[in-house]
Amino acid sequence: DTGVSQDPRHKITKRGQNVTFRCDPISEHNRLYWYRQTLGQGPEFLTYFQNEAQLEKSRLLSDRFSAERPKGSFSTLEIQRTEQGDSAMYLCASSFLNQPQHFGDGTRLSIL
Amino acid sequence: AQSVSQHNHHVILSEAASLELGCNYSYGGTVNLFWYVQYPGQHLQLLLKYFSGDPLVKGIKGFEAEFIKSKFSFNLRKPSVQWSDTAEYFCAVPSTGGGNKLTFGTGTQLKVEL
Repeated sequence: DTGVSQDPRHKITKRGQNVTFRCDPISEHNRLYWYRQTLGQGPEFLTYFQNEAQLEKSRLLSDRFSAERPKGSFSTLEIQRTEQGDSAMYLCASSFLNQPQHFGDGTRLSIL
Repeated sequence: AQSVSQHNHHVILSEAASLELGCNYSYGGTVNLFWYVQYPGQHLQLLLKYFSGDPLVKGIKGFEAEFIKSKFSFNLRKPSVQWSDTAEYFCAVPSTGGGNKLTFGTGTQLKVEL
């Protein structure tokens, strides 16, 4: 079990720029989840995949956000035209079906 | 929609003190319940889980939690905390609608003083 890996750990960008984050789940896990966490709050669900299919997107996920998991392995989360309000920790988690989720270290996004 | 309430946002205890962190959820049907812990600088880790059966569940590092269906509660307990228990603790429950996506509480920051 090598754990869930996220890259980069930190991203600082100017408002209006596009950013992309990557998540590598635990290899035998078929589900992959993205969450967002802001200061003083618990993680909030954004979207999840089962294998390569994106099965649900939260209303928190505006049109500027897109996620992919093209081969059912790693996933990317892209934010276009970043805004100040996008500053947060973006967490990835994986699981085998409804088993407990394993979380990565997260990507901290700061918008200047 | 499912919601989770954690009543204690910041808790400060001395070593060897007993701990109880409150968690209440809103959904009245069959639930799975989780406590996750985040140690400083580390990722969220599963502390314990309740799926069914004995409502008193034991987790890692001496933690336990009791599921009380009538009170919609899943409080976390530890008889004697250690300095190394300093961390943030999150209660979570799967949201309605399937997929096991989690709804988290706002978290409790626990500081254990020597």
